[in-house]
Amino acid sequence: DTAVSQTPKYLVTQMGNDKSIKCEQNLGHDTMYWYKQDSKKFLKIMFSYNNKELIINETVPNRFSPKSPDKAHLNLHINSLELGDSAVYFCASSPLTSGGTDTQYFGPGTRLTVL
Amino acid sequence: AQSVAQPEDQVNVAEGNPLTVKCTYSVSGNPYLFWYVQYPNRGLQFLLKYITGDNLVKGSYGFEAEFNKSQTSFHLKKPSALVSDSALYFCAVRDSRGNTPLVFGKGTRLSVIA
Repeated sequence: DTAVSQTPKYLVTQMGNDKSIKCEQNLGHDTMYWYKQDSKKFLKIMFSYNNKELIINETVPNRFSPKSPDKAHLNLHINSLELGDSAVYFCASSPLTSGGTDTQYFGPGTRLTVL
Repeated sequence: AQSVAQPEDQVNVAEGNPLTVKCTYSVSGNPYLFWYVQYPNRGLQFLLKYITGDNLVKGSYGFEAEFNKSQTSFHLKKPSALVSDSALYFCAVRDSRGNTPLVFGKGTRLSVIA
């Protein structure tokens, strides 16, 4: 069984469009994350949700809006896509532990290409 | 602010030889340190972590890492490399102080040659 899943795996779209990426975890974790990996493989946190509440919001354009309908799902909606948004987006989840010692488990990634 | 450095973009090693992938960190409080591996077109897989206790941490696939507080390092090691170990390796750190995110290094590409 897939622990952290993302759809779609590949997403090709035109500049200016709006698109969503979905993430689901079946691990029973309380915290979920979105990361962006650029073309140089640099990986950076975008958002973190704990029990449907936003707890980390790094410097990300407000065109990006995460939505967590329940603690097993964290979707990423992107408005007015730009060329620079092309990247691989990873969802991750971790159990609720105090102090930040928890291990994060990553999904397979969504490769977004903006033309 | 916390940071992590992986000084080598690429490490080449012959199959059967020991391998080391280097990582140094900077945090205000105590560090929580992690190693992840990424195979081509895949997500990151957790290898091991150091939280507290024994400085030598053993993880998946025969990997281990040694926490060295004086050198602020957490190098990843394996006694005998396999071709299948070829992948991109990420070191990550989280500061024990406050609700801080996990910060990743830029990654080191390991190539094991048969």
